[in-house]
Amino acid sequence: DADVTQTPRNRITKTGKRIMLECSQTKGHDRMYWYRQDPGLGLRLIYYSFDVKDINKGEISDGYSVSRQAQAKFSLSLESAIPNQTALYFCATSDRRNTEAFFGQGTRLTVV
Amino acid sequence: QKEVEQNSGPLSVPEGAIASLNCTYSDRVSQSFFWYRQYSGKSPELIMSIYSNGDKEDGRFTAQLNKASQYVSLLIRDSQPSDSATYLCAVNNPYGGSQGNLIFGKGTKLSVKP
Repeated sequence: DADVTQTPRNRITKTGKRIMLECSQTKGHDRMYWYRQDPGLGLRLIYYSFDVKDINKGEISDGYSVSRQAQAKFSLSLESAIPNQTALYFCATSDRRNTEAFFGQGTRLTVV
Repeated sequence: QKEVEQNSGPLSVPEGAIASLNCTYSDRVSQSFFWYRQYSGKSPELIMSIYSNGDKEDGRFTAQLNKASQYVSLLIRDSQPSDSATYLCAVNNPYGGSQGNLIFGKGTKLSVKP
């Protein structure tokens, strides 16, 4: 089983719909991250959390919100999806001592 | 804004050759450097980390770090078609903020031709 699990793996949704992407981890890491990846733009940070009570905006947080329900769970919500949010989304984790990140399998989201 | 720069490629090498991937970073304070491999449509996978100047070898992979020149590279010896992927360079960001604590380059696409 993957250490960092994302659900769903693929999702097609309509413009204006609310959608939640979920991430859970069994690595025991404190820190969790949400990235999106678009062709030619690389990985861009949406939100990150260093512990359950800590939430930080990344470079492209507009249109997104997050919830850190527990140390092991970090969800990303699109309140009202729009087509330019079509992308590959990754959750990642790291521990407080080391900055290397470990990624989930990704969620391919399409907004039509 | 801290930056990590990579040539986007594609870098094409014949099977069995050495592939050399390069990365420069903007902040001298950075102390931790990572290489990730990402196959098309898959998630990034950590393959090397390096923290001190010099070379670090792991199998066919060698990471090289030169902090004075703010330069980190990845050499892949005896390249195989299965090495064809995009390689992401990542550098720690001690300042945090909207870039978080790890900054990624946009990646170099490597193609190994049989």
